Amino acid sequence: GQNIDQPTEMTATEGAIVQINCTYQTSGFNGLFWYQQHAGEAPTFLSYNVLDGLEEKGRFSSFLSRSKGYSYLLLKELQMKDSASYLCAVRDSNYQLIWGAGTKLIIKP
Amino acid sequence: ETGVTQTPRHLVMGMTNKKSLKCEQHLGHNAMYWYKQSAKKPLELMFVYSLEERVENNSVPSRFSPECPNSSHLFLHLHTLQPEDSALYLCASSQERGGVDIQYFGAGTRLSVL
Repeated sequence: GQNIDQPTEMTATEGAIVQINCTYQTSGFNGLFWYQQHAGEAPTFLSYNVLDGLEEKGRFSSFLSRSKGYSYLLLKELQMKDSASYLCAVRDSNYQLIWGAGTKLIIKP
Repeated sequence: ETGVTQTPRHLVMGMTNKKSLKCEQHLGHNAMYWYKQSAKKPLELMFVYSLEERVENNSVPSRFSPECPNSSHLFLHLHTLQPEDSALYLCASSQERGGVDIQYFGAGTRLSVL
């Protein structure tokens, strides 16, 4: 079956750096997405990786290794507003999005 | 604002009620989706409409009935629901551009079935 694994919950300190990992086993690969979801709000798109390597976008970066079935989302200079759930999703060979259960990130002052 | 609006935001219904969830997108997209989001579980894709035609129905019980009257509107009609159907129902839309198909979500309808 298809599977996306990510930690259930992580805690980090304001101003620090945190890395949220995502490993996947899917039938085919056509891109990996990261979304942010604040409690009670819509998931919002953060990043897209289809080739190996690092994509940087301001304080957020996303890395992909297709050979290892692995991605991470790196958040720098953490702010309290970064407290949210982070969802990893992989598009498989049928162009279906397979979702992880999300990582709840708690930022402490 | 994501450009995708869902109403109502909260809904409480009994198992014998009939209700409908509404989704409207203002992004000019040609595909719309219904997802179910339960606590600590991955998003479950329920239905996909592309160019107003249903292209996906992931073994969803018949008590959920989608309707897509045009490319901007999507409904989910609910009847005879079960308590386990209580969840957050998310609508999304997308338009493929250069091979990348980013889905934009509404804030969801929090459904409680008593």
